[in-house]
Amino acid sequence: QQPVQSPQAVILREGEDAVINCSSSKALYSVHWYRQKHGEAPVFLMILLKGGEQKGHDKISASFNEKKQQSSLYLTASQLSYSGTYFCGTDASRGAQKLVFGQGTRLTINP
Amino acid sequence: DVKVTQSSRYLVKRTGEKVFLECVQDMDHENMFWYRQDPGLGLRLIYFSYDVKMKEKGDIPEGYSVSREKKERFSLILESASTNQTSMYLCASSFFGKGAFFGQGTRLTVV
Repeated sequence: QQPVQSPQAVILREGEDAVINCSSSKALYSVHWYRQKHGEAPVFLMILLKGGEQKGHDKISASFNEKKQQSSLYLTASQLSYSGTYFCGTDASRGAQKLVFGQGTRLTINP
Repeated sequence: DVKVTQSSRYLVKRTGEKVFLECVQDMDHENMFWYRQDPGLGLRLIYFSYDVKMKEKGDIPEGYSVSREKKERFSLILESASTNQTSMYLCASSFFGKGAFFGQGTRLTVV
């Protein structure tokens, strides 16, 4: 079963912040975040392992609440280059990393 | 740089044909995945392999099979192609506990 992402689409002006949420009905071992630009392959951003950690690099960070089986991706002071579709991938199979993705969130950053 | 290479970027096949999609990775990853991507549906897992000759069904395995005889190669087989299998197919690979790397995708059209 695919995790559920919200919102489905976001339109921002450059410099604004965004939050993308991902929730699962299953107990999760890890959550991955990826970004896909139009016509390109998805690119890995970060992985959060069971333990409720928060990770980040540059102005993109994420949190993982394992009790709620939820993760959020935070984009602060957004740049034009952040535009694309963001996918969360969830792994409920500790032994094997069977990665199941959500439907995606399309982020558009305007100047 | 990690490379995940899919054998074709574009394929056109006739209904009822047997279709082979090939994927090769060069980083000795244990895990390999096949997804299909359709607008509004995100990335849906077809099959997953965590070792040579080991495979596990994803969310939408019907009409597909896979083969992994060597660690670096993961093949997706459409036994009898149908028009509803027209889609973008993405292969990915990863180490356990690490992010996945995607190939550029194969856009398959079944006529």
